[in-house]
Amino acid sequence: DAKTTQPTSMDCAEGRAANLPCNHSTISGNEYVYWYRQIHSQGPQYIIHGLKNNETNEMASLIITEDRKSSTLILPHATLRDTAVYYCIVRVASWMDSSYKLIFGSGTRLLVRP
Amino acid sequence: DAGVIQSPRHEVTEMGQEVTLRCKPISGHDYLFWYRQTMMRGLELLIYFNNNVPIDDSGMPEDRFSAKMPNASFSTLKIQPSEPRDSAVYFCASIHRPTVNTEAFFGQGTRLTVV
Repeated sequence: DAKTTQPTSMDCAEGRAANLPCNHSTISGNEYVYWYRQIHSQGPQYIIHGLKNNETNEMASLIITEDRKSSTLILPHATLRDTAVYYCIVRVASWMDSSYKLIFGSGTRLLVRP
Repeated sequence: DAGVIQSPRHEVTEMGQEVTLRCKPISGHDYLFWYRQTMMRGLELLIYFNNNVPIDDSGMPEDRFSAKMPNASFSTLKIQPSEPRDSAVYFCASIHRPTVNTEAFFGQGTRLTVV
């Protein structure tokens, strides 16, 4: 699976958009970008995923560049409860893949300020 | 569904003792994962199962660690003998037949302290 690079930490003001970048320059054509987050003392939680088109759900938006070498997770109106570590993961997504793994990097620690 | 259930939530044990961590995956999920999280090494995948069969245990640190999944609704991670460096939070996660649109569900973790 492709390796990802994320900033160690970021902060934003409550109510503002939080934009979390991820570089995945070695991504392959069949690899998806997944985002999870981990709020303190809890297990990781799925946020969103995408292949090449931008995606949006009730939690966030995912913007993937045209060359797919980087992406940005956007929390449109960050709240204090969004303070967490955010993980960007790139992997193949197929139920035929018997070697399925979900490997976490070091992630970005996002602090939402009041 | 109550989600992935792990027990105990906290465990304190003395060095040399056997420790058993338990996990109940979400009903119907085919894959089960065990992770360990420490400040130094982050989230590490230890082992995962597909339909109760261990697929990849390359992340298991030593022979002191063992994991079993006797049936689709229960898995254990055992450390024998335990050492202080095993202190960490251990997470269990499950997935139903991973496809593009499936997500991993994690338990609340077991915080293990070995003194």
